[in-house]
Amino acid sequence: DGGITQSPKYLFRKEGQNVTLSCEQNLNHDAMYWYRQDPGQGLRLIYYSQIVNDFQKGDIAEGYSVSREKKESFPLTVTSAQKNPTAFYLCASSMGWDRVYGYTFGSGTRLTVV
Amino acid sequence: GENVEQHPSTLSVQEGDSAVIKCTYSDSASNYFPWYKQELGKRPQLIIDIRSNVGEKKDQRIAVTLNKTAKHFSLHITETQPEDSAVYFCAAMKRGADGLTFGKGTHLIIQP
Repeated sequence: DGGITQSPKYLFRKEGQNVTLSCEQNLNHDAMYWYRQDPGQGLRLIYYSQIVNDFQKGDIAEGYSVSREKKESFPLTVTSAQKNPTAFYLCASSMGWDRVYGYTFGSGTRLTVV
Repeated sequence: GENVEQHPSTLSVQEGDSAVIKCTYSDSASNYFPWYKQELGKRPQLIIDIRSNVGEKKDQRIAVTLNKTAKHFSLHITETQPEDSAVYFCAAMKRGADGLTFGKGTHLIIQP
C-alpha cells in the first residue's frame, strides 16, 4: 500500500462498542492524519499529528480518540460516543508541516455499525 | 484558515473530449496545490501537483494551471478515457500549516 498500511479493510461495530483502526507507515513521515469520508462526500479531518506524543483535533473529532506513541503508528479509536460511525476511514501521512509535500494515503477501512 | 472551493461537483464529458475542473483558494500564502484521483472504494492517489513558482505543469494527458493573482488553479484532462472516471480532489497548503485543505471533490463521468 505504498508504505502506509491500514487494517482491517472492513470492520463491523456493535452499538455501544469501541473499535480501533490501525494505521502504520514506513515512510519515515513526521505527520499523520485521519479522515472520514461518507458516500459521495469529501474528506473531513478527524485528528492529525505532526510529531510523536502530540496530536490535534480536526473538524469532526467528537466521538473519536487517537494516540501517537511511535512515529510509525497512529491508531484511531471510534468510541461509543460517535453516534453515526458508519463511513470510510482514510489515514494519510506526509513529511511534516515545515516541508510542503502531498499526502500518501492508506487503502482505507470501511466501518459499518451492525 | 485556508478555504478551497471546487467546481463543478459533477462533470460528464464524452470519451475523447477534454475535462476541466477548477478550484479557488483564499490564503495567498498557499504555495502547494496537489490533485488527487479517487476511484470508487479506493484511496485517493496523487496525480499531479504544482508549486506557486510555476504557472503550468503537464504530465501526458493531464495538466494543471495556476493563477496566483486570481488565486485559482485548474486540472485539465485531454482525450478523456473510461479509466478517467473517478472523483477528483484539489487541495492547497502553505509551509507551516496544519496540513492540506481539500476541495469537496468533482465526480468526473466519461460517457462512451
